[in-house]
Amino acid sequence: QVQLQESGPGLVKPSQTLSLICTVSGDSISSGNYYYNWIRQPAGKGLEWIGRIYTSGSTDYNPSLKSRVTISLDTSKNQFSLRLGSVTDSDTAIYYCATAPLGTFFDSWGLGTLVTVSS
Amino acid sequence: DIQMTQSPSTLSASVGDRVTITCRASQSISRWLAWYQQKPGKAPKLLISSASTVESGVPSRFSGSGSGTEFTLTISSLQPDDFATYHCQQYNTYSPVTFGQGTKLEI
Repeated sequence: QVQLQESGPGLVKPSQTLSLICTVSGDSISSGNYYYNWIRQPAGKGLEWIGRIYTSGSTDYNPSLKSRVTISLDTSKNQFSLRLGSVTDSDTAIYYCATAPLGTFFDSWGLGTLVTVSS
Repeated sequence: DIQMTQSPSTLSASVGDRVTITCRASQSISRWLAWYQQKPGKAPKLLISSASTVESGVPSRFSGSGSGTEFTLTISSLQPDDFATYHCQQYNTYSPVTFGQGTKLEI
């Protein structure tokens, strides 16, 4: 089973860019076995899919966030990353990275990391 | 985007009860539906994929059914460990992934 771990700043100022990294172990992100995803969950609310990237570098994003999101791969470090620009209070959430075989359901998840947007 | 609506939002039940949670899609998603269990402070855990395929290691009291726009998750005999929040998720090929709002199962 793949293991994932999120890392990054827990506090981001409004209008700045949120940046997170997901480190993958147990599989090479170059293997082509999975799509690599970011998902978030505001406190007490439901899950929101942010976007995904495949081994080839192709990406898909949630239309509601597309203008502000970039997901990229670093195959040398077996990591993928999230950048979310122009953040506001509504971007405060727990952010999870997760794998999806063939871009379907999410079978492995990181523990999640809380990101708070506040001045 | 495909909207997913779960009902009820909260469900009160007792150990030993049989419970059913419903998830409705705003358009047909065939059987491209997954169910997750989430406990406080933890990441969601995949229970069921393709509407009715129970993941390895998931107790047999969990089952899923449905196709098209209406789906159900059934727990045949509630155990103390089952009190959690349950989420449905659609993964229709030609639409962004979306989740239901969640159903909190409480004692």
